Amino acid sequence: GAVVSQHPSWVICKSGTSVKIECRSLDFQATTMFWYRQFPKQSLMLMATSNEGSKATYEQGVEKDKFLINHASLTLSTLTVTSAHPEDSSFYICSAELNTEAFFGQGTRLTVV
Amino acid sequence: QKEVEQNSGPLSVPEGAIASLNCTYSDRGSQSFFWYRQYSGKSPELIMFIYSNGDKEDGRFTAQLNKASQYVSLLIRDSQPSDSATYLCAVKVRSTDKLIFGTGTRLQVFP
Repeated sequence: GAVVSQHPSWVICKSGTSVKIECRSLDFQATTMFWYRQFPKQSLMLMATSNEGSKATYEQGVEKDKFLINHASLTLSTLTVTSAHPEDSSFYICSAELNTEAFFGQGTRLTVV
Repeated sequence: QKEVEQNSGPLSVPEGAIASLNCTYSDRGSQSFFWYRQYSGKSPELIMFIYSNGDKEDGRFTAQLNKASQYVSLLIRDSQPSDSATYLCAVKVRSTDKLIFGTGTRLQVFP
């Protein structure tokens, strides 16, 4: 199957700082990527749809100014959590589709202290 | 009503038994249905997808879809302790490319 690589796999940051998470499709091009957030014992919640060359589409309730998404190439989307706070601590996962099948990155465990 | 509903479990079955996982969805426009397995601290991995009513088998796994009842299930035959994980049901609605996930069912297979 296709490979989606996410980096870093875990990060600890201080409250008020920003964190960037990268999502790369390694062996295919993805005009669309998806960003999810998963809190402990909860399901994946779609945050936004990242579109190559255009603005991301955010789900209701997700602050676009706080979660900045850039999809500058067909193989890379980035999510920047700006001014992170402890409540942003979560597991962030990206995905990209190939032939209607979604492939997920390894996930990024963000801890804000 | 949640868009995709699953019993959170845990569902405990002995090794070698059949595990039955269920999922219901609310949007009749849903057209694609997926089962993912997620180990603790890891991202989901696809087990099966199903588009048409009926059964679809792949090794020890069988997915069943009943669009009239808005119900999809996953059967795991000859359950193994390594199958212990959370199983996520996901549905793709016809009008979007979005995957909507259920909350997942935690499966425990004991030796």
